[in-house]
Formats: sequence, C-alpha cells, structure tokens
Amino acid sequence: EVQLVESGGGLVQPGGSLRLSCVASGFTFSSYWMSWVRQAPGKGLEWVANIKHDESENYYVASVKGRFTISRDNAKNSLYLQMNNLRAEDTAVYYCARRAAGFTVNDYWGQGTQVTVSS
Amino acid sequence: DIQMTQSPSTLSASVGDRVTITCRASQSISSWLAWYQQKPGKAPKLLIYKASNLESGVPSRFSGSGSGTEFTLTISSLQADDFATYYCQHHNSYPLSFGGGTKVEIK
Repeated sequence: EVQLVESGGGLVQPGGSLRLSCVASGFTFSSYWMSWVRQAPGKGLEWVANIKHDESENYYVASVKGRFTISRDNAKNSLYLQMNNLRAEDTAVYYCARRAAGFTVNDYWGQGTQVTVSS
Repeated sequence: DIQMTQSPSTLSASVGDRVTITCRASQSISSWLAWYQQKPGKAPKLLIYKASNLESGVPSRFSGSGSGTEFTLTISSLQADDFATYYCQHHNSYPLSFGGGTKVEIK
C-alpha cells in the first residue's frame, strides 16, 4: 500500500524558515517524480514544486521561486521542502504527492501538514 | 502561464442527478487535463487524467471529455459519496495550475 506521511509543519514568524519532510512507503520511491501541493485555509489547491526521481530537474510556482527548495533522499525514501523567508500568504496545508508514471498528475497524496506564518 | 477557470463554483444537486462541471483553459492544453475530488479535511483524489482516462478504482459514473480549451467532468448519476469539491488541473507544462474548484452540495 502506497503511503506518504508529511511532518515538520508548525507556527513560524514572517521571515522565518521551516523544513517539511515526507516519508514514502509501498512503492519504489527512487523511480518516481514527487510533488508538493498546498491549500490555503478555505481556498483551492496550488501546485508548489516537482522534483525528478534523480533530482536532475525541479520546477516551482513563481511565488516560491528563490525562497523554497524541493529535494529528496532516495536512500531514506524521503522528500523535503525547505521554506525560507516565509510570508503570511504561505499559510496553508502542504501535501506531499506522488507523480503518476507517465503523466504530470498526482495519484497518491499524504494527509498534509499545516504551516502557519504569523507573528 | 496557463489559467484554469471552473464553472459553476457551487452546484446544488440531488442523488441520482446527472451533474456536469466545466473547466476552461486560457490557452490550448490539448488533452492534458486532470480532475480531482476533495472532501473536507481530506487530501485530493485523482479521478481522471488526460481529459478522459479514468484512474484505477474510480467508479464508471465519472467521465471526462474535451480538448483544447474546454473540458467537462460528468457524474452520470450522483451518489451520496460524491458530494465534495472538484478541481481541474492542467498537466500540459510547467507551471501546473488548478481551477478554483466546484463544490457539489446536496439540494
């Protein structure tokens, strides 16, 4: 059974940093692209970043470029999102998701971790 | 960047109704369109990819159609379990983007 479990969320002040983690199980993690998608309170879904299975490619939504970094450790079946210079508008539930084989859609999702940016 | 627009934003329907949700892209995305279902407090669930391909395990009452800039998600006979919010997403190129969502409510 595919499982994705996020952690690392919490309350942080504007300008602060946070590192999200996602541990994957039930599939060959090193063979799949992975994603982070977020959802602000009461709002819709927003794609944040994708990373290729070998870390040779990554992509970001414009609003986080230069502030967020997606990375992975295939030996630990883990995906990360380093978030720096956080802003109030980054407040959201952050989901880790597996990109489906062959298509840039997400077929498995974690339960999400809450990030709140507030003073 | 490609913008995705869904309509309606809210839809009231009864069990057994045929329901159609529309998604429009700001430019042609061929058939690179996915649909997700999300229930309150839960992660999204992939329903359809590449406009009309049903994800494994998704009931056949769900179907998708369209190409270019206009797409539809149809639920042929709404069930109690289908009351949720539905999102379209283009998977044509980066940056990826979602529509604003359509909430399907009980009439």
